[in-house]
Amino acid sequence: DAKTTQPNSMESNEEEPVHLPCNHSTISGTDYIHWYRQLPSQGPEYVIHGLTSNVNNRMASLAIAEDRKSSTLILHRATLRDAAVYYCIPGGSQGNLIFGKGTKLSVKP
Amino acid sequence: EAGVAQSPRYKIIEKRQSVAFWCNPISGHATLYWYQQILGQGPKLLIQFQNNGVVDDSQLPKDRFSAERLKGVDSTLKIQPAKLEDSAVYLCASSSIGGNNSPLHFGNGTRLTVT
Repeated sequence: DAKTTQPNSMESNEEEPVHLPCNHSTISGTDYIHWYRQLPSQGPEYVIHGLTSNVNNRMASLAIAEDRKSSTLILHRATLRDAAVYYCIPGGSQGNLIFGKGTKLSVKP
Repeated sequence: EAGVAQSPRYKIIEKRQSVAFWCNPISGHATLYWYQQILGQGPKLLIQFQNNGVVDDSQLPKDRFSAERLKGVDSTLKIQPAKLEDSAVYLCASSSIGGNNSPLHFGNGTRLTVT
């Protein structure tokens, strides 16, 4: 399984963009990069995933480095509801995602 | 679409007792997962089913944990007997086809406290 490195915590101001980094230097060529987030007392929530190209959806954007050894989750305008733990996970071939400790994002009003 | 349903939401038992958790995945989802999340840690995969067959149970403590997915739909996870270190949130997730291009949908979990 590919190893990931994420900051333990980050802070952001409300309505400002947030860039959450992730290093996954041992990722295999066929692993998708998944991002999930977990709000307090809830199960993880899917945010976005991609393979090589940058990806956008209504929640966020995912920028994947050309060598695929790192990626960045971009929240374009942080809200208080975005405060959560964000997990970056290279997807295993069977779809079984191995979670690390993630990045705890705090959003200040 | 309805999400992944889990019950009970909370459970408190004494050590050496038995407990069971139930999960109803999203309709039509072939792949079902059970994760254990200890406070302050990321979720840890216990077992993965594809329809009613086990794909991966390498992290399941089989001396005390068991899981089944009869008819490839609902699933139950059982602990017998429970230990103090089993205190955690047990999360169920499902995905439509499995494979690493298929997002997982999680329930809100069952919080187990073993005293």
